[in-house]
Amino acid sequence: EVQLVESGGGLVQPGRSLRLSCAASGFIFDDYAMHWVRQAPGKGLEWVSGISWNSGSIGYADSVKGRFTISRDNAKNSLYLQMNSLRAEDMALYYCAKDGRGYDSKGWFDPWGQGTLVTVSS
Amino acid sequence: QSVLTQPPSVSGAPGQRVTISCTGSSSNIGAGYDVHWYQQLPGTAPKLVIYSNRNRPSGVPDRFSGSKSGTSASLAITGLQAEDEADYYCQSYDSSLSGSVFGGGTKLTVL
Repeated sequence: EVQLVESGGGLVQPGRSLRLSCAASGFIFDDYAMHWVRQAPGKGLEWVSGISWNSGSIGYADSVKGRFTISRDNAKNSLYLQMNSLRAEDMALYYCAKDGRGYDSKGWFDPWGQGTLVTVSS
Repeated sequence: QSVLTQPPSVSGAPGQRVTISCTGSSSNIGAGYDVHWYQQLPGTAPKLVIYSNRNRPSGVPDRFSGSKSGTSASLAITGLQAEDEADYYCQSYDSSLSGSVFGGGTKLTVL
């Protein structure tokens, strides 16, 4: 069974940093691109970032470009999101998702983890 | 303002058919990129119900179907059931943004 388990969320002050992790199991991790998607309270889904199987292709939403960094460790079956200079508008439930298409990051998201909550407040 | 446009809400009685539209542009759906659909039940993570315009993942009832034409796509649900009440999102890839994009979501109410 494919499983994605996010961790690292919590309460953080504006301007500070946080690192999210996503532990993957049940599939060959380095065969697939991965993504981070967020959902602010009561709002819709927003794609945050995606990374190809070998980290050769990386993309970010304009809202996080220059502040967030996605990375992966295929040896540890793990995906990460380093979030710097956090703002109130970054407060959301952050989901990790596997790209269904495979190697690049232009496909669908399946499955999704349960999410980790990031709260930005002073 | 989402890159893909969906109606905020749709509704239908049990047993009826409803459709949810997703309108994009020449840099996403119109450029030939596939459209995917997700169902999000209250308090849960999104679940894929249609991928690559018209394909159903294993376990998704055949009451769910998808189509795409030009710069738009649609999700149809026939034989509506109470358990279908949820938020639905479309998603595609945008070449101008070099990333994935979502619709704003549609709340389906089963009357």
